[in-house]
Amino acid sequence: GENVEQHPSTLSVQEGDSAVIKCTYSDSASNYFPWYKQELGKGPQLIIDIRSNVGEKKDQRIAVTLNKTAKHFSLHITETQPEDSAVYFCAASISGGSQGNLIFGKGTKLSVKP
Amino acid sequence: DGGITQSPKYLFRKEGQNVTLSCEQNLNHDAMYWYRQDPGQGLRLIYYSQIVNDFQKGDIAEGYSVSREKKESFPLTVTSAQKNPTAFYLCASSLGQGAGEKLFFGSGTQLSVL
Repeated sequence: GENVEQHPSTLSVQEGDSAVIKCTYSDSASNYFPWYKQELGKGPQLIIDIRSNVGEKKDQRIAVTLNKTAKHFSLHITETQPEDSAVYFCAASISGGSQGNLIFGKGTKLSVKP
Repeated sequence: DGGITQSPKYLFRKEGQNVTLSCEQNLNHDAMYWYRQDPGQGLRLIYYSQIVNDFQKGDIAEGYSVSREKKESFPLTVTSAQKNPTAFYLCASSLGQGAGEKLFFGSGTQLSVL
């Protein structure tokens, strides 16, 4: 089955710097890659996703890149702000397949220091 | 406001006791899910349901049970057979039934053992 590895587990940056979180997946059939942000005491929220027919997607200060050959995808946050501090989860699945196929990474705790 | 409501926010279980976590959604979503979150771990799927009166086991279903008698409700029972129940439990829903659907999460229930 699918396995998703996420690095780093913790990341500390200064406000205004960029942050990059990387994930690798094992199943070459996976074609849907969402990123979720979880603030303290809350449930995760989808912030961006990408499907395997594109290599990059941007939404204001966040972007996701996908390398299908290497089976890895990354989240990029530019001009970080204190409110970006949270735990970020990547995930991978086969779009259209069973709902049980969405596999999450273990999370990255991002701290943005003012 | 539309969303997912989980209750209670905190729950304590005595040894040998069954406890039930509530999850209600007013988003008119077909699919609902239960995830377990442990510190430093990703989200692991316990059970999911695509339609009323139907549900499937996820990766860690042992010691848990669910029901889906109404579209808006998906309660999770943690039975006495679950020997390590202390965790943060998240309920989620999605509009459609495929693995590429956006998940909407509740705010979670923290279960602890007395």
